[in-house]
Amino acid sequence: QLQLQESGPGLVKPSETLSLNCSVSGDSISSPLYYWGWVRQPPGKGLEWIGTIYYPGSTSYNPSLVGRVSISVDTSKNQFSLKLNSVTAADTALYYCMRRIGSYARQIDSWGQGTLVTVSS
Amino acid sequence: DIQMTQSPSTLSASVGDRVTFTCRASQTITTYLNWYQQKPGKAPRLLIYAASSLHSGVPSRFSGSGSGTDFTLTIDSLQPEDFATYYCQQSYRSPYSFGQGTMLEIK
Repeated sequence: QLQLQESGPGLVKPSETLSLNCSVSGDSISSPLYYWGWVRQPPGKGLEWIGTIYYPGSTSYNPSLVGRVSISVDTSKNQFSLKLNSVTAADTALYYCMRRIGSYARQIDSWGQGTLVTVSS
Repeated sequence: DIQMTQSPSTLSASVGDRVTFTCRASQTITTYLNWYQQKPGKAPRLLIYAASSLHSGVPSRFSGSGSGTDFTLTIDSLQPEDFATYYCQQSYRSPYSFGQGTMLEIK
């Protein structure tokens, strides 16, 4: 059974870089069937699409974050990562990693439990 | 970007009721529309994909319909575990944006 687990610092200072990892078990991150990515949710608010990566390295990002965001994969650890530069308080959110179906409806069929990242000095 | 608008923002209903949620896209998305359920403190859960296909393990009281720009999610005979927030999402064009959500609360 697929499991996704986010990890990383829960507190990041303004202007610094947010870095999160998502460990994948029960599937290979190099599978040609899926995309892997991130969605965030500010406290008490709705869901925001961040972006995805398709192995070995095709990425797609939300235009609102382009220039600050990058997603990468590490097949040796079967995990993928998120980096978000120059963070502000507006980046405080619950960050979810997810798996997206690569074809047909392109739906998100699996989610991590989420990790809260607070941007504060 | 494609904007997704859900209505109403909050819906009050009772166990056993039939409820319908609405989602509208700012441009046609054919049937690239997915519905998720989120309970407090939990990750979203896929309910419906491709506008009307029921995800594996989801009870048959959930159904979806629509195409183009207008979509609905219906729950027949509400159960206590159905009280949650529901989000639509378009997967027609990246960024695959979400609606703002509809909170289903107990009347």
